[in-house]
Amino acid sequence: NAGVTQTPKFQVLKTGQSMTLQCAQDMNHEYMSWYRQDPGMGLRLIHYSVGAGITDQGEVPNGYNVSRSTTEDFPLRLLSAAPSQTSVYFCASSDGQVSQAFFGQGTRLTVV
Amino acid sequence: RKEVEQDPGPFNVPEGATVAFNCTYSNSASQSFFWYRQDCRKEPKLLMSVYSSGNEDGRFTAQLNRASQYISLLIRDSKLSDSATYLCVVNGGGKFQFGAGTQVVVTP
Repeated sequence: NAGVTQTPKFQVLKTGQSMTLQCAQDMNHEYMSWYRQDPGMGLRLIHYSVGAGITDQGEVPNGYNVSRSTTEDFPLRLLSAAPSQTSVYFCASSDGQVSQAFFGQGTRLTVV
Repeated sequence: RKEVEQDPGPFNVPEGATVAFNCTYSNSASQSFFWYRQDCRKEPKLLMSVYSSGNEDGRFTAQLNRASQYISLLIRDSKLSDSATYLCVVNGGGKFQFGAGTQVVVTP
């Protein structure tokens, strides 16, 4: 059972570079979301999607773009990386408004 | 004010003892509630769902008080392997809100 798969697991970027964090789920879940986790801050919602073609901003969307062209995939794009985006990023999926969230293993991103 | 608030701890607990901690949430329309466990900033993993009537899973007991908007977790007979950060999670319409976590350290 693959569940939620995130790639890459680790990444180092230079300031100003762009990149895409990949997230894929094989559970046919409608809901997908991206979080970042910084020390002492808990998980903060970046963007989320309630189905293919539908995305919305979360708590900390600035500097990130998302799209949801298929049910399975929900990539997160960093447009111009900044040191403040150094964090651990988690993708999650869920099959409904009252269901639990399933997480990918995380991407540890460092921007230098 | 954060949507989900937790005491960050750490709660230092002797092995075999009981520990309990709470979280509060601000959105009264929240629909479902969970406790997740997170080890060393790895991905959070579901510990248990929380129901209004209260529920138990082995040594873990969770309670939900909708009127006061708080959720509790009690761990009985603590094991060294229970050392982790426990995240209170609230689902409101598919958007999950997380507390910052309560750190539990079980000592021999």
